[in-house]
Amino acid sequence: KAGVTQTPRYLIKTRGQQVTLSCSPISGHRSVSWYQQTPGQGLQFLFEYFSETQRNKGNFPGRFSGRQFSNSRSEMNVSTLELGDSALYLCASRPTGVGYGYTFGSGTRLTVV
Amino acid sequence: SQQGEEDPQALSIQEGENATMNCSYKTSINNLQWYRQNSGRGLVHLILIRSNEREKHSGRLRVTLDTSKKSSSLLITASRAADTASYFCATDVIDGGATNKLIFGTGTLLAVQP
Repeated sequence: KAGVTQTPRYLIKTRGQQVTLSCSPISGHRSVSWYQQTPGQGLQFLFEYFSETQRNKGNFPGRFSGRQFSNSRSEMNVSTLELGDSALYLCASRPTGVGYGYTFGSGTRLTVV
Repeated sequence: SQQGEEDPQALSIQEGENATMNCSYKTSINNLQWYRQNSGRGLVHLILIRSNEREKHSGRLRVTLDTSKKSSSLLITASRAADTASYFCATDVIDGGATNKLIFGTGTLLAVQP
């Protein structure tokens, strides 16, 4: 069974640009969540999608957005990049129901210069 | 901040010794999970303990949960050099009527010396 796939692995962008990150969950998993990891703030929840609907959103500005497609693949977008957006962005999927752990992808390391 | 606290922040032990990490959290939970992360890569799910459970084992891992103290501990027995990683606790919470999300602790960096 393939794991959670995130692309690209590394990305370097300039301040003011926008970026789109992609995540393919484990087959059959309809819940996809995104997390941001930085040395200063640690791991923080960005948003969760289920069946193409955003069910929950963390405390991030509107520059951070996402979507989920009918095949459960998800993308997140960050517009007008700031230096502080440099981080490891992690995507996770899990089965429907209670009591399941999350399977994380290897992440996308975004550097804003 | 909702973030949980873990202690110690860093732990260095010899191969074969046991490692214990502690986690405290702030909100009511559905369950608590532990994850391992190697060198800034993705997180690997280790074990999940439900809010109505007090102890759980999986191989060399033992997790305890005390909901009255809002705390948990992870014990790794007979540690190996390959256990060197960062370990995070994460509480699975219902967020104000919305769906579940994980709130992570600050992490413990474990170094196992061969």
